[in-house]
Amino acid sequence: GAGVSQSPSNKVTEKGKDVELRCDPISGHTALYWYRQRLGQGLEFLIYFQGNSAPDKSGLPSDRFSAERTGESVSTLTIQRTQQEDSAVYLCASSLAWGPNEKLFFGSGTQLSVL
Amino acid sequence: TQLLEQSPQFLSIQEGENLTVYCNSSSVFSSLQWYRQEPGEGPVLLVTVVTGGEVKKLKRLTFQFGDARKDSSLHITAAQPGDTGLYLCAAGGTSYGKLTFGQGTILTVHP
Repeated sequence: GAGVSQSPSNKVTEKGKDVELRCDPISGHTALYWYRQRLGQGLEFLIYFQGNSAPDKSGLPSDRFSAERTGESVSTLTIQRTQQEDSAVYLCASSLAWGPNEKLFFGSGTQLSVL
Repeated sequence: TQLLEQSPQFLSIQEGENLTVYCNSSSVFSSLQWYRQEPGEGPVLLVTVVTGGEVKKLKRLTFQFGDARKDSSLHITAAQPGDTGLYLCAAGGTSYGKLTFGQGTILTVHP
């Protein structure tokens, strides 16, 4: 696609429910990243994928968070038993390759609100 | 863990004024990126600096990387309302893909 696509753009859920957030990276980009952005704050790293593997999962806040990527394309971030503190914008980004100077292309994010 | 501190956190100025945003850390960076983010959108990369002392210009924006690669600045000349947004610095370290972001500077340029 032309850019990184995320869905849904907005998600309102009740505390305790599970949610799935989807990211479609730019076609051909091998690296994919998930970040979280709380209101008025910078981006918090969650996880990244090199191909379909996730070498570094240390940013996931708790075991309620998980992510997978299939076919070196679509990625899904799942949050189980959502809590109010999970409310934030979840941003996905992709890059052509992976490295310290790679240009990241971000999606518009999913605004998650946990009531 | 690298910690990036941006200042100021908020900046409200009139069109035509100059401004500087700072990004500082006690750690050495392998590279540093500046992003601009508008409401409802993801951040968009403005520039990447990798060499200590490096200066890059992008129209009215000037980016500088400190000699010791621990700090950076973004200077905007003759700011315009279209420059309004959240400016974020991000540092790459030894862990590829794990960019550390600053808290951001919210810039508002009034006509």
